[in-house]
Amino acid sequence: DQQVKQNSPSLSVQEGRISILNCDYTNSMFDYFLWYKKYPAEGPTFLISISSIKDKNEDGRFTVFLNKSAKHLSLHIVPSQPGDSAVYFCAASRRTGANNLFFGTGTRLTVIP
Amino acid sequence: GAGVSQSPSNKVTEKGKDVELRCDPISGHTALYWYRQSLGQGLEFLIYFQGNSAPDKSGLPSDRFSAERTGGSVSTLTIQRTQQEDSAVYLCASSQTPVVTEAFFGQGTRLTVV
Repeated sequence: DQQVKQNSPSLSVQEGRISILNCDYTNSMFDYFLWYKKYPAEGPTFLISISSIKDKNEDGRFTVFLNKSAKHLSLHIVPSQPGDSAVYFCAASRRTGANNLFFGTGTRLTVIP
Repeated sequence: GAGVSQSPSNKVTEKGKDVELRCDPISGHTALYWYRQSLGQGLEFLIYFQGNSAPDKSGLPSDRFSAERTGGSVSTLTIQRTQQEDSAVYLCASSQTPVVTEAFFGQGTRLTVV
């Protein structure tokens, strides 16, 4: 049972425009959410996170929005750059007492120069 | 080393053979995790080690899978009698604290069972 879902396997965006990656979850016990970025032949690297007590967290060009009532989060990248081309994974967890993260299946972002 | 190191990077094995995958965590990290990513799937939790505590094996898919962590550092994931459905990228991660949201991932081992 997939508790974290990324329904868009791929996304193409023009350089300079906004990229919006979406993620949905089903488990209301999740209280911490993360986005990872993965290049080919590399492990996922942490990008940005958000606690359930917030609805927005911003770090440079990256902003994550959380809508708890809809069990939905999104990652916005503005402006998108060719180096942002990678697979983006959404993950969720309980911040304390949890040993594991639940991951989505990933969205492959391609930023076209 | 500077990061989590996994070996081999790629492994092709025949169905029915046993394989061992190795993970060298970041020095000083007490927590170690194994995940796998099968084709078209998200990362799936396998096992978690924290210090000298008994590991959390709740994610291991069958008794053909086992893992150990020697001396609180290097970990080996063993798959016995490999099956084609075991083909996946196996990822190891470590964290300084037992907080999985602070873990760093290795580059993974791509296992192909033919």
